[in-house]
Amino acid sequence: LAKTTQPISMDSYEGQEVNITCSHNNIATNDYITWYQQFPSQGPRFIIQGYKTKVTNEVASLFIPADRKSSTLSLPRVSLSDTAVYYCLVGDTYSGGGADGLTFGKGTHLIIQP
Amino acid sequence: DTAVSQTPKYLVTQMGNDKSIKCEQNLGHDTMYWYKQDSKKFLKIMFSYNNKELIINETVPNRFSPKSPDKAHLNLHINSLELGDSAVYFCASSQRGGGNNLNEQFFGPGTRLTVL
Repeated sequence: LAKTTQPISMDSYEGQEVNITCSHNNIATNDYITWYQQFPSQGPRFIIQGYKTKVTNEVASLFIPADRKSSTLSLPRVSLSDTAVYYCLVGDTYSGGGADGLTFGKGTHLIIQP
Repeated sequence: DTAVSQTPKYLVTQMGNDKSIKCEQNLGHDTMYWYKQDSKKFLKIMFSYNNKELIINETVPNRFSPKSPDKAHLNLHINSLELGDSAVYFCASSQRGGGNNLNEQFFGPGTRLTVL
């Protein structure tokens, strides 16, 4: 079972870069790393996904070291609206591979202050 | 257009009652899910269906019975409701192996169930 560990909460300020690290020491060869964002009273929303090295999209970057035992979600120049819970998921991306890739856990509650 | 919709948005009921939550997706996905998010915000997978076939059933009491009449719908029926069933239930869908992001899930707005 690919278990993940994230900080329960983090604080930052508007305009700062925020990095949230997720540990997944027993990640398997077929596993991808996926991050979701959830605002209060809404369902989670996909942010970014990666397998190794670095992935960047219009919202965030994902840094994955060579051993893949951890990953870091980087949010550039955060704003108040980035206050949300961020979930790191690790698992086979095909749902037929079981529930591993569908374990959201408690996530990291990111609070952005003015 | 709403991609994944759920009804009702709020559901308040008494212990022992039977209730259903409906979910529909118009994304053409072949896989649908039900999640439960409790008061501590822990989001846990309950069921997953692929092409109307149950593929994941995660230690959920028999009182919970999903039904998938077609690929676009996955309903959740709950018998004999208990206080501990109070939570927000999220439906989601994805396309296995499709798109740029593998198995990216699209979530509905959630149904807040309160059992009194």
